[in-house]
Amino acid sequence: SQELEQSPQSLIVQEGKNLTINCTSSKTLYGLYWYKQKYGEGLIFLMMLQKGGEEKSHEKITAKLDEKKQQSSLHITASQPSHAGIYLCGADDPFSSGSARQLTFGSGTQLTVLP
Amino acid sequence: NAGVTQTPKFQVLKTGQSMTLQCAQDMNHEYMSWYRQDPGMGLRLIHYSVGAGITDQGEVPNGYNVSRSTTEDFPLRLLSAAPSQTSVYFCASTQRGEAFFGQGTRLTVV
Repeated sequence: SQELEQSPQSLIVQEGKNLTINCTSSKTLYGLYWYKQKYGEGLIFLMMLQKGGEEKSHEKITAKLDEKKQQSSLHITASQPSHAGIYLCGADDPFSSGSARQLTFGSGTQLTVLP
Repeated sequence: NAGVTQTPKFQVLKTGQSMTLQCAQDMNHEYMSWYRQDPGMGLRLIHYSVGAGITDQGEVPNGYNVSRSTTEDFPLRLLSAAPSQTSVYFCASTQRGEAFFGQGTRLTVV
């Protein structure tokens, strides 16, 4: 089964600083999803990457997919307290058991932004 | 749009009690799933369903049952709650790989 490793596990940055979160897969990535979760709340979809080299941005968050490295990175520019939360990557495994398009998740990165 | 609705938001159970976590979606998605989230372990798949009448086990199915009598509803049943089932539970409805999550149920088993 596919496994996703996220790094770092936790991150504390000063407001205004840039940061990067990585997600590395044990298998070929066919689809990579980034979600954000605030404590006690559900997961909010951020963006989806499907092609090697693809890069998407939303406000100050940019995600890239490196197909060869089987890795995706999430970069936040000029972080703000509103960026704080848990970031999870999820991978779409079309060959998962039962032919169901299951999502496998990384263990998450806890981001704290100090004002 | 309601999206995915999960109830209850919080629940405390005594060991051995049973209960059902409710999940409903109004997006007509075929694929629904239940996850549990534990510190340092991310989201782990409990059970999933690819359509009404079809369910299958995920990574951590023991102690849980599911049914899918309609496209909209996918309840998760805890048969005899154990402290190890203390966790946050998320229901998700998925289309083309994009998952829409409920707000979660924080369950404590004492």
